[in-house]
Amino acid sequence: LAKTTQPISMDSYEGQEVNITCSHNNIATNDYITWYQQFPSQGPRFIIQGYKTKVTNEVASLFIPANRKSSTLSLPRVSLSDTAVYYCLVGNYGGSQGNLIFGKGTKLSVKP
Amino acid sequence: NAGVMQNPRHLVRRRGQEARLRCSPMKGHSHVYWYRQLPEEGLKFMVYLQKENIIDESGMPKERFSAEFPKEGPSILRIQQVVRGDSAAYFCASSPSSGGASTDTQYFGPGTRLTVL
Repeated sequence: LAKTTQPISMDSYEGQEVNITCSHNNIATNDYITWYQQFPSQGPRFIIQGYKTKVTNEVASLFIPANRKSSTLSLPRVSLSDTAVYYCLVGNYGGSQGNLIFGKGTKLSVKP
Repeated sequence: NAGVMQNPRHLVRRRGQEARLRCSPMKGHSHVYWYRQLPEEGLKFMVYLQKENIIDESGMPKERFSAEFPKEGPSILRIQQVVRGDSAAYFCASSPSSGGASTDTQYFGPGTRLTVL
C-alpha cells in the first residue's frame, strides 16, 4: 500500500475554504484515494473517495491531478465543528487486502 | 440501521488481567477489522476477520492477543495478561464485502478505551 505524506496541522477560521494536500508518489494503478475524519474520542468517519479528476459530495470535494501522485481534500466554508484530524489513505481495499493504513493525519483547527 | 457497536466504551484492567473487547458490525456486514490507536497517533491495523475465519492477522502481536468472529454473536478481541503498554483505544470497523470491490468503505465504531493500571 502506498505511503502518504500530509501536513501535521493546519489552522483556519470559520467560513474559510480549507484545502489539505496529500502526497502519494508511489500510488499504484488500482489504488483508490480515501479520506477519513476523526473527532476526539470517536472512530474515523469516511468523508470521500476518488480515483482520478474530481469527486464531490455533500461534505467535501476531492481533487486528483492526472498523475495521481497527490490529492487535495477541499472543505468549503468550514465551521468550528470541522475541527478534527483528517487522514489520507491510498490503497486497493478489495480482496484480502482489507486493512487500512493510517498515517498521523492532519490536525485541522478551526477558530472563530 | 444501527452503526458499528463496541462495548465496553471504557475498560480498566490491572496488569496481568484479561481484557475482552466486543464488536457488533453493521447489519449485513460480514467483514470486521480491528485497529489500535495510541495518543496522537494514527490507527494501526491489527486483524481482519470474516465469519469464523481470520483473513489477515499481520498486525497482531505474536503473544497475548487473539481475535475471533464466530458464526453467531459479536467479534471479540481478547488480550491476555495485559501490560501498561496495551493501554490504547481499540477500534472496530466493518464493511459489507471485500470481494474485489475496491471502493468498499469501512465503517468504524466508537472504540473501546483500555486503561491498564
